[in-house]
Amino acid sequence: QKEVEQNSGPLSVPEGAIASLNCTYSDRGSQSFFWYRQYSGKSPELIMFIYSNGDKEDGRFTAQLNKASQYVSLLIRDSQPSDSATYLCAVRRGQNFVFGPGTRLSVLP
Amino acid sequence: GAGVSQSPSNKVTEKGKDVELRCDPISGHTALYWYRQSLGQGLEFLIYFQGNSAPDKSGLPSDRFSAERTGGSVSTLTIQRTQQEDSAVYLCASSLESLYQETQYFGPGTRLLVL
Repeated sequence: QKEVEQNSGPLSVPEGAIASLNCTYSDRGSQSFFWYRQYSGKSPELIMFIYSNGDKEDGRFTAQLNKASQYVSLLIRDSQPSDSATYLCAVRRGQNFVFGPGTRLSVLP
Repeated sequence: GAGVSQSPSNKVTEKGKDVELRCDPISGHTALYWYRQSLGQGLEFLIYFQGNSAPDKSGLPSDRFSAERTGGSVSTLTIQRTQQEDSAVYLCASSLESLYQETQYFGPGTRLLVL
């Protein structure tokens, strides 16, 4: 089992819909969870981080964490074509960050 | 303020040659990470520096890879006797590494192509 798993996609949603991106992790001791967005040919940029169980909202983005299920998700409301990118889930494990393989999201106009 | 910078942005080299990749972290950031990203793949952790502590080299794929960080700031990743499988984007990131301030900020990357 990989430490951080994501569905590689592509996930296609119509413009204006809610995009739901999922991530599972194997280390129960993980304490910090991050979502990064990476446009093709560009570096990852942070969207959100979450530490506590529950939801955290920032604009159109909501991160959800369930430590009992070892699951973290990212919801994007009112998806826009500009949201089309690869979304990377990252988990803090000790001193290091472990990244998932990323989910490619395509928002169709 | 300035973000993380990396140089060169692109590097083409011949198999067997040595290459040096440079990273300038954000001023004041104590933690520095190197990652490798192959085409269409996720980020592969290589090495981590934190302050004056011994680096975590657990992600280096072979002894051809080494890295140093001078004066707690600039870092250089060296790949000796490059192989074609070393072709990838090498990303550097830095962070403040304090409680709830552990967000990594990535540089633009160095695209390495080994012919």
